[in-house]
Amino acid sequence: DAGVIQSPRHEVTEMGQEVTLRCKPISGHDYLFWYRQTMMRGLELLIYFNNNVPIDDSGMPEDRFSAKMPNASFSTLKIQPSEPRDSAVYFCASGLGGSNNEQFFGPGTRLTVL
Amino acid sequence: KQEVTQIPAALSVPEGENLVLNCSFTDSAIYNLQWFRQDPGKGLTSLLLIQSSQREQTSGRLNASLDKSSGRSTLYIAASQPGDSATYLCAVFSGSARQLTFGSGTQLTVLP
Repeated sequence: DAGVIQSPRHEVTEMGQEVTLRCKPISGHDYLFWYRQTMMRGLELLIYFNNNVPIDDSGMPEDRFSAKMPNASFSTLKIQPSEPRDSAVYFCASGLGGSNNEQFFGPGTRLTVL
Repeated sequence: KQEVTQIPAALSVPEGENLVLNCSFTDSAIYNLQWFRQDPGKGLTSLLLIQSSQREQTSGRLNASLDKSSGRSTLYIAASQPGDSATYLCAVFSGSARQLTFGSGTQLTVLP
């Protein structure tokens, strides 16, 4: 298996623009997680899905952030409009859930908002 | 609310030394604890996962222990190598929301 795939790996955009981050989880995993990593706050869970359904989005910082999972093999995280404080590395992870809950992370998308 | 602390924040050791990384958590009602490795500019690689009912897990030169009652875990690395240089993150899976809470990591440098 190729592991969790994220695109793009790097994104540089200007304040006010829409940004869409993409994730393909490991085949067969029914949990998908979006995290954000910054120097100040470390790794934070933004939202997670189970069987394509959003379960907990309490970590989503503002209404500017939205996430979708239209099918078991694809998810997007959208920021509209983007702001400089959104600059961070965004990770997608997937897992089988249950009591094990081992999570496997993608390589991340480094977002810079100018 | 679960809080995870890792000490030290940074550690530098000569090659060949055995070392211990520490992780503590405030709420002992956990399902499991996971140790990750993160290389600069890369994602997280899962190293070891310890279930709440287990005391330790081993993989090669790595050994992770868990003392749930005291809210502590350690990651022991034997015979360290320069290739072990990375940031090591501890994460606890707990809570009714069933989330992973991460520590801030220990940045390890193994000098040749």
